[in-house]
Amino acid sequence: QVQLVQSGAEVKRPGASVKVSCKASGYTFTSNYLHWVRQAPGQGLEWMGLINPSGGITTYAQKFQGRVTMTRDTSTSTVSMELSSLRSEDTAVYYCARGAVAGYSDSWGQGTLVTVSS
Amino acid sequence: AIRMTQSPSSFSASTGDRVTITCRASQGISSYLAWYQLKPGKAPKLLIYAASSLQSGVPSRFSGSGSGTDFTLTISFLQSEDFATYYCQQYFSYPFTFGPGTKVDIK
Repeated sequence: QVQLVQSGAEVKRPGASVKVSCKASGYTFTSNYLHWVRQAPGQGLEWMGLINPSGGITTYAQKFQGRVTMTRDTSTSTVSMELSSLRSEDTAVYYCARGAVAGYSDSWGQGTLVTVSS
Repeated sequence: AIRMTQSPSSFSASTGDRVTITCRASQGISSYLAWYQLKPGKAPKLLIYAASSLQSGVPSRFSGSGSGTDFTLTISFLQSEDFATYYCQQYFSYPFTFGPGTKVDIK
């Protein structure tokens, strides 16, 4: 079965960077895009962008352009999302999610809480 | 970016009720719409894709309809495990925006 296992919770200072990883299993890693979505406390879901594990091509939401970098390692079936210049508003649960061909997300990781606090 | 709205933002219901949640897109998205269920401390769960296709394993009491700009999610007979927050998402064009969510709680 499809599994996406994310790295553990992080606490960061404002201005720092955080890198969250997502290890995929149960399917062919290069066959599906992987999306990143976050949910801030008391807020809704926010799409951040995606990566095509096959060629490493990325598409980012404009809001995060310049601050987010998504990468993949095909040898370990892992994608990572690095967010830089963190501010308190980046405190959120970050999810990776497998993209179906059409674009919706059919399987999700368990989420990673990132707390930005001085 | 395409803006998604949902109504109502929250409401109370009882088990056995039929509930309907509405999602509207700021421009036409054909049928490129998905619905997700989110419970506290759990990952989102895909319920419906392509506006009306039921994801494998999702109970048949969930159904979706609509195309273009107006969509609905219906739960025909609310069960206790259905109390959650529901989000629509368009995947017609980047960025793949979500609605603000509709929270369904117990009356």
